[in-house]
Amino acid sequence: AQRVTQPEKLLSVFKGAPVELKCNYSYSGSPELFWYVQYSRQRLQLLLRHISRESIKGFTADLNKGETSFHLKKPFAQEEDSAMYYCALRGFGNEKLTFGTGTRLTIIP
Amino acid sequence: DTEVTQTPKHLVMGMTNKKSLKCEQHMGHRAMYWYKQKAKKPPELMFVYSYEKLSINESVPSRFSPECPNSSLLNLHLHALQPEDSALYLCASSPSVIGEQFFGPGTRLTVL
Repeated sequence: AQRVTQPEKLLSVFKGAPVELKCNYSYSGSPELFWYVQYSRQRLQLLLRHISRESIKGFTADLNKGETSFHLKKPFAQEEDSAMYYCALRGFGNEKLTFGTGTRLTIIP
Repeated sequence: DTEVTQTPKHLVMGMTNKKSLKCEQHMGHRAMYWYKQKAKKPPELMFVYSYEKLSINESVPSRFSPECPNSSLLNLHLHALQPEDSALYLCASSPSVIGEQFFGPGTRLTVL
């Protein structure tokens, strides 16, 4: 079974402050981890996937297999970062994408 | 065209109605998906099609019937739904079943 946990339903951060959205997972095989974002009135879109190791919109995430975590970080929050963020997992070679419950991030001006 | 489109945007139906949701992509993707998203919940996978063949059915009730008539089109036929089936239905596509998924805007379904 594969499971994704996002412990914070809501997170408020001041503009310019660092942001960290937590994600922990449970999967017995090799996982592939993703962060998806949904801005207000927009469709769900991919923000990051761990295998690409890219930084998108200033966000980074590192897969920590020892702690089974894939936390999303940004050093300086911007107002346009306010959105719903979902962490998701797929087993390598597997077709099923499992989403966490999501964290609603609000950036306070 | 680099987007997944879904029609209709909104649908209201009675429990005895038959209706269909439509999803289309012209990105040459060979995998397509249906997800159900209840309010304030994450998307939950319903069906996966790979090369126009059903590869995953997540134990979805038979009142939901998917169809993939060609590589660009995915339908979800609805019959005898229950009020608890009211939700946002999302379609997604990806180049293959292990590729990045691109989501449509969803169809908001209300069952009365």
